[in-house]
Amino acid sequence: QKEVEQNSGPLSVPEGAIASLNCTYSDRGSQSFFWYRQYSGKSPELIMSIYSNGDKEDGRFTAQLNKASQYVSLLIRDSQPSDSATYLCAAYGGATNKLIFGTGTLLAVQP
Amino acid sequence: DTAVSQTPKYLVTQMGNDKSIKCEQNLGHDTMYWYKQDSKKFLKIMFSYNNKELIINETVPNRFSPKSPDKAHLNLHINSLELGDSAVYFCASSSRTGEGTGELFFGEGSRLTVL
Repeated sequence: QKEVEQNSGPLSVPEGAIASLNCTYSDRGSQSFFWYRQYSGKSPELIMSIYSNGDKEDGRFTAQLNKASQYVSLLIRDSQPSDSATYLCAAYGGATNKLIFGTGTLLAVQP
Repeated sequence: DTAVSQTPKYLVTQMGNDKSIKCEQNLGHDTMYWYKQDSKKFLKIMFSYNNKELIINETVPNRFSPKSPDKAHLNLHINSLELGDSAVYFCASSSRTGEGTGELFFGEGSRLTVL
Protein backbone atom coordinates (compact mmCIF):
# COMPACT_ATOMS: atom_id res chain seq x y z
CA GLN A 1 0.00 0.00 0.00
CA LYS A 2 1.32 3.41 -0.97
CA GLU A 3 1.74 5.82 1.91
CA VAL A 4 -0.06 8.66 0.11
CA GLU A 5 -2.44 7.71 -2.67
CA GLN A 6 -3.97 9.83 -5.37
CA ASN A 7 -5.86 9.01 -8.53
CA SER A 8 -3.44 9.80 -11.36
CA GLY A 9 -6.21 11.11 -13.60
CA PRO A 10 -6.46 12.92 -15.86
CA LEU A 11 -9.37 14.69 -14.19
CA SER A 12 -11.09 16.75 -16.85
CA VAL A 13 -13.45 19.58 -15.85
CA PRO A 14 -15.01 22.39 -17.88
CA GLU A 15 -13.95 25.97 -17.27
CA GLY A 16 -15.90 27.50 -14.39
CA ALA A 17 -16.68 24.18 -12.73
CA ILE A 18 -15.46 22.91 -9.36
CA ALA A 19 -12.50 20.53 -9.52
CA SER A 20 -12.30 18.03 -6.66
CA LEU A 21 -8.98 16.34 -6.00
CA ASN A 22 -8.69 13.57 -3.45
CA CYS A 23 -5.92 11.97 -1.45
CA THR A 24 -5.72 9.24 1.19
CA TYR A 25 -2.84 8.44 3.51
CA SER A 26 -1.93 5.30 5.39
CA ASP A 27 0.01 6.58 8.42
CA ARG A 28 -2.55 7.55 11.04
CA GLY A 29 0.16 9.50 12.90
CA SER A 30 0.56 12.00 10.05
CA GLN A 31 0.17 15.50 11.43
CA SER A 32 0.07 17.94 8.56
CA PHE A 33 -0.92 17.91 4.94
CA PHE A 34 -0.01 19.91 1.89
CA TRP A 35 -1.11 20.46 -1.67
CA TYR A 36 1.46 21.37 -4.29
CA ARG A 37 0.78 22.38 -7.88
CA GLN A 38 3.26 21.38 -10.57
CA TYR A 39 3.00 22.67 -14.10
CA SER A 40 4.54 20.50 -16.81
CA GLY A 41 8.31 20.91 -16.82
CA LYS A 42 8.27 23.15 -13.73
CA SER A 43 8.91 22.70 -10.03
CA PRO A 44 6.25 22.00 -7.38
CA GLU A 45 4.73 25.06 -5.75
CA LEU A 46 2.95 25.00 -2.39
CA ILE A 47 -0.65 26.16 -2.67
CA MET A 48 -2.30 24.95 0.55
CA SER A 49 -1.36 23.50 3.91
CA ILE A 50 -3.82 22.11 6.46
CA TYR A 51 -3.12 20.89 9.97
CA SER A 52 -6.48 20.28 11.65
CA ASN A 53 -9.75 18.64 10.74
CA GLY A 54 -12.19 20.65 8.72
CA ASP A 55 -11.97 23.10 5.87
CA LYS A 56 -9.41 25.77 5.08
CA GLU A 57 -10.15 28.30 2.36
CA ASP A 58 -7.76 30.49 0.41
CA GLY A 59 -9.25 32.31 -2.54
CA ARG A 60 -10.63 29.76 -5.01
CA PHE A 61 -8.95 26.88 -3.15
CA THR A 62 -10.41 24.90 -0.23
CA ALA A 63 -8.51 22.15 1.49
CA GLN A 64 -10.45 19.61 3.54
CA LEU A 65 -9.01 17.23 6.11
CA ASN A 66 -10.67 14.27 7.82
CA LYS A 67 -8.12 12.51 10.04
CA ALA A 68 -10.58 9.81 11.12
CA SER A 69 -11.00 8.75 7.49
CA GLN A 70 -7.37 9.57 6.64
CA TYR A 71 -8.58 11.67 3.76
CA VAL A 72 -7.52 15.01 2.33
CA SER A 73 -9.10 16.87 -0.53
CA LEU A 74 -8.61 20.03 -2.53
CA LEU A 75 -11.49 21.87 -4.15
CA ILE A 76 -10.82 24.44 -6.85
CA ARG A 77 -13.81 26.69 -7.53
CA ASP A 78 -14.35 28.48 -10.85
CA SER A 79 -11.65 26.36 -12.49
CA GLN A 80 -9.58 28.12 -15.13
CA PRO A 81 -7.46 26.66 -17.95
CA SER A 82 -4.46 28.07 -16.07
CA ASP A 83 -5.26 25.62 -13.24
CA SER A 84 -4.35 22.73 -15.56
CA ALA A 85 -1.42 21.05 -13.82
CA THR A 86 -0.48 18.06 -11.69
CA TYR A 87 -1.57 18.42 -8.06
CA LEU A 88 0.60 16.65 -5.51
CA CYS A 89 -0.72 15.73 -2.07
CA ALA A 90 1.84 15.34 0.72
CA ALA A 91 1.66 14.21 4.34
CA TYR A 92 4.16 14.93 7.11
CA GLY A 93 4.81 13.25 10.40
CA GLY A 94 3.88 9.84 11.71
CA ALA A 95 6.28 6.92 11.79
CA THR A 96 8.66 8.26 9.14
CA ASN A 97 8.75 11.89 10.31
CA LYS A 98 9.29 12.81 6.68
CA LEU A 99 7.26 14.57 4.02
CA ILE A 100 5.75 11.86 1.81
CA PHE A 101 4.30 12.79 -1.57
CA GLY A 102 1.61 11.09 -3.59
CA THR A 103 2.15 10.55 -7.30
CA GLY A 104 -0.16 13.42 -8.20
CA THR A 105 -3.42 13.95 -10.06
CA LEU A 106 -3.31 15.56 -13.49
CA LEU A 107 -6.06 18.19 -13.80
CA ALA A 108 -7.16 19.38 -17.22
CA VAL A 109 -9.54 22.35 -17.35
CA GLN A 110 -11.27 22.55 -20.71
CA PRO A 111 -12.05 26.04 -22.09
CA ASP B 1 15.91 37.31 -7.39
CA THR B 2 15.54 33.53 -7.56
CA ALA B 3 14.83 32.11 -4.09
CA VAL B 4 16.19 28.60 -4.65
CA SER B 5 18.51 28.21 -7.61
CA GLN B 6 20.07 25.07 -9.03
CA THR B 7 22.80 24.59 -11.60
CA PRO B 8 22.98 23.14 -14.10
CA LYS B 9 19.36 22.82 -15.26
CA TYR B 10 20.21 20.09 -17.74
CA LEU B 11 22.88 17.40 -17.68
CA VAL B 12 23.39 14.78 -20.37
CA THR B 13 26.17 12.33 -19.71
CA GLN B 14 27.39 8.81 -20.28
CA MET B 15 27.08 5.88 -17.90
CA GLY B 16 30.00 5.67 -15.50
CA ASN B 17 30.67 9.41 -15.42
CA ASP B 18 30.57 11.59 -12.30
CA LYS B 19 28.44 14.74 -12.09
CA SER B 20 27.56 17.43 -9.56
CA ILE B 21 24.51 19.63 -9.05
CA LYS B 22 24.70 22.81 -6.98
CA CYS B 23 21.93 24.52 -5.05
CA GLU B 24 21.75 27.87 -3.32
CA GLN B 25 18.90 29.53 -1.42
CA ASN B 26 18.68 33.20 -0.48
CA LEU B 27 15.64 32.83 1.78
CA GLY B 28 17.59 32.47 5.01
CA HIS B 29 16.12 29.01 5.60
CA ASP B 30 17.84 26.55 7.92
CA THR B 31 16.79 23.34 6.20
CA MET B 32 17.56 22.17 2.68
CA TYR B 33 16.60 19.02 0.79
CA TRP B 34 17.33 16.96 -2.29
CA TYR B 35 14.36 15.25 -3.93
CA LYS B 36 14.32 12.94 -6.93
CA GLN B 37 11.35 12.93 -9.31
CA ASP B 38 11.17 9.97 -11.66
CA SER B 39 9.41 9.67 -15.00
CA LYS B 40 6.13 8.81 -13.26
CA LYS B 41 6.26 12.10 -11.34
CA PHE B 42 6.90 10.41 -8.00
CA LEU B 43 8.78 12.84 -5.77
CA LYS B 44 11.01 11.09 -3.23
CA ILE B 45 13.24 12.61 -0.59
CA MET B 46 16.92 11.72 -0.76
CA PHE B 47 18.65 13.93 1.80
CA SER B 48 17.92 16.71 4.23
CA TYR B 49 20.31 19.09 5.98
CA ASN B 50 19.53 21.41 8.86
CA ASN B 51 22.09 24.17 9.31
CA LYS B 52 24.79 22.08 7.59
CA GLU B 53 23.97 18.92 9.57
CA LEU B 54 22.66 15.82 7.77
CA ILE B 55 19.30 14.89 9.31
CA ILE B 56 17.68 12.66 6.68
CA ASN B 57 19.60 10.14 4.62
CA GLU B 58 17.23 7.88 2.73
CA THR B 59 18.25 4.49 1.36
CA VAL B 60 20.11 6.07 -1.50
CA PRO B 61 23.11 4.32 -3.12
CA ASN B 62 26.36 5.60 -1.67
CA ARG B 63 27.26 6.81 -5.16
CA PHE B 64 25.21 9.85 -4.14
CA SER B 65 27.02 12.19 -1.77
CA PRO B 66 25.52 15.45 -0.55
CA LYS B 67 27.55 18.27 0.89
CA SER B 68 26.45 21.44 2.65
CA PRO B 69 29.30 23.96 3.01
CA ASP B 70 26.96 26.42 4.74
CA LYS B 71 23.24 26.62 5.43
CA ALA B 72 22.56 28.46 2.16
CA HIS B 73 24.18 25.85 -0.06
CA LEU B 74 23.57 22.16 -0.68
CA ASN B 75 25.36 20.26 -3.41
CA LEU B 76 24.87 16.75 -4.75
CA HIS B 77 27.66 14.70 -6.27
CA ILE B 78 26.89 11.48 -8.12
CA ASN B 79 29.61 8.95 -8.94
CA SER B 80 29.53 6.19 -11.54
CA LEU B 81 26.23 7.26 -13.08
CA GLU B 82 23.75 4.56 -14.07
CA LEU B 83 20.81 4.60 -16.47
CA GLY B 84 18.39 4.48 -13.52
CA ASP B 85 19.76 7.75 -12.19
CA SER B 86 18.02 9.58 -15.02
CA ALA B 87 15.45 11.83 -13.34
CA VAL B 88 14.79 15.40 -12.32
CA TYR B 89 16.56 16.35 -9.11
CA PHE B 90 14.97 19.12 -7.08
CA CYS B 91 16.57 21.12 -4.34
CA ALA B 92 14.20 22.61 -1.76
CA SER B 93 14.40 24.65 1.41
CA SER B 94 12.20 25.32 4.40
CA SER B 95 12.15 27.62 7.41
CA ARG B 96 9.45 25.73 9.20
CA THR B 97 9.77 23.05 11.83
CA GLY B 98 7.24 20.78 13.50
CA GLU B 99 3.97 20.48 11.66
CA GLY B 100 5.02 23.12 9.14
CA THR B 101 7.99 21.10 7.98
CA GLY B 102 6.20 20.29 4.74
CA GLU B 103 6.14 23.91 3.54
CA LEU B 104 8.92 23.72 0.98
CA PHE B 105 10.28 26.10 -1.62
CA PHE B 106 11.61 24.19 -4.61
CA GLY B 107 14.31 25.08 -7.08
CA GLU B 108 13.68 24.79 -10.81
CA GLY B 109 15.08 21.28 -10.98
CA SER B 110 18.05 19.69 -12.72
CA ARG B 111 17.15 17.19 -15.42
CA LEU B 112 19.76 14.44 -15.56
CA THR B 113 19.86 12.12 -18.56
CA VAL B 114 22.27 9.20 -18.48
CA LEU B 115 22.97 7.57 -21.85
